[in-house]
Amino acid sequence: DAGVIQSPRHEVTEMGQEVTLRCKPISGHNSLFWYRQTMMRGLELLIYFNNNVPIDDSGMPEDRFSAKMPNASFSTLKIQPSEPRDSAVYFCASSLIPARAGYTFGSGTRLTVV
Amino acid sequence: DQQVKQNSPSLSVQEGRISILNCDYTNSMFDYFLWYKKYPAEGPTFLISISSIKDKNEDGRFTVFLNKSAKHLSLHIVPSQPGDSAVYFCAASDQGGSEKLVFGKGTKLTVNP
Repeated sequence: DAGVIQSPRHEVTEMGQEVTLRCKPISGHNSLFWYRQTMMRGLELLIYFNNNVPIDDSGMPEDRFSAKMPNASFSTLKIQPSEPRDSAVYFCASSLIPARAGYTFGSGTRLTVV
Repeated sequence: DQQVKQNSPSLSVQEGRISILNCDYTNSMFDYFLWYKKYPAEGPTFLISISSIKDKNEDGRFTVFLNKSAKHLSLHIVPSQPGDSAVYFCAASDQGGSEKLVFGKGTKLTVNP
């Protein structure tokens, strides 16, 4: 298995632009998680899906953030409009629940909003 | 409010010695704990876990200890190797609840040759 695949690896965009991050989870995993890593807050959960259904989006910072999982093999995290404070590394992870072996993370997307 | 705390941002040890990374949690509902290791430009990778019904779990050079009464866990690496240099994240979940993992901010371990 190729693992969790995220694209793009790096994204630089101007403030106010729309940004879309993509994730392909491991085949057979039934849960998908979006995390954001910053120096100040560490790894924080934004949203997670179970069987393609959003279960908990309490970590989504504001309405500018939205996430979808149209099928078991694809998810997007969209920021519109983007702001400089959104600059961070965004990780996608997938897992079989119960996650006794933990999540498998992708390599992340480093987002810079200028 | 941080539910999982790693109070040491960094730790430096000599090759061959023991590395001890600490983690505290506040949520008494947490019943499953994990450690992840992260190299630069990569995602975190699962290292070792422990259920709240145990107080110790060992895997090769890595041992995790859990003290439920103190709401404290630690990761011991013996002997430490330069390849262990990475950021280590502690994570916790309430398996009877939502299954989501709550992470600490991480501790950067540097093992010097």
